[in-house]
Amino acid sequence: GQQLNQSPQSMFIQEGEDVSMNCTSSSIFNTWLWYKQDPGEGPVLLIALYKAGELTSNGRLTAQFGITRKDSFLNISASIPSDVGIYFCCWRNTGNQFYFGTGTSLTVIP
Amino acid sequence: DSGVTQTPKHLITATGQRVTLRCSPRSGDLSVYWYQQSLDQGLQFLIQYYNGEERAKGNILERFSAQQFPDLHSELNLSSLELGDSALYFCASSGSRADAYNEQFFGPGTRLTVL
Repeated sequence: GQQLNQSPQSMFIQEGEDVSMNCTSSSIFNTWLWYKQDPGEGPVLLIALYKAGELTSNGRLTAQFGITRKDSFLNISASIPSDVGIYFCCWRNTGNQFYFGTGTSLTVIP
Repeated sequence: DSGVTQTPKHLITATGQRVTLRCSPRSGDLSVYWYQQSLDQGLQFLIQYYNGEERAKGNILERFSAQQFPDLHSELNLSSLELGDSALYFCASSGSRADAYNEQFFGPGTRLTVL
């Protein structure tokens, strides 16, 4: 089956620090998505990547689709308290099935 | 507010029972997706419907079934419930195209507890 590794599992950082998390897979995918989930709510799409090597920014967030199409990273610059939550990578295969990573729990210490 | 509504918000039931979860997509969205989120399995894609027809199937158990009605709302039916079915169930919807180039908007979820 398809394996997806997301790391780190959790992060505790000081407000203002930069954050980096990544996902790697055993298979090649055409689409990488990054979501954030706040407590008690559904995930919200942050960034979508559709091409190998694509680098996309959304405010303080930057994500890249790896050249090999087997990995992606998400960076958050100058973290703020509202960045707290769980971040998920997600990919879609050619059968339109979606797979989510195990999540990275982010805690920002003021 | 994503525009996707799910009912009920919480559901407590016993093993062996059957429940129905309901989802209303955003106005105009034709695709509905169902996900299960549990502590040990993470967020699992179950099934997608597009304009009333099944489009893609993920890790959905045979005890579970779903459908999308002509008014585009969807229901997820869970039967012969087991303790391990306790989880958050999310519905998401997306726009007029059947593929993932449309952003999925997630509802607030239904928390199912099986006792």
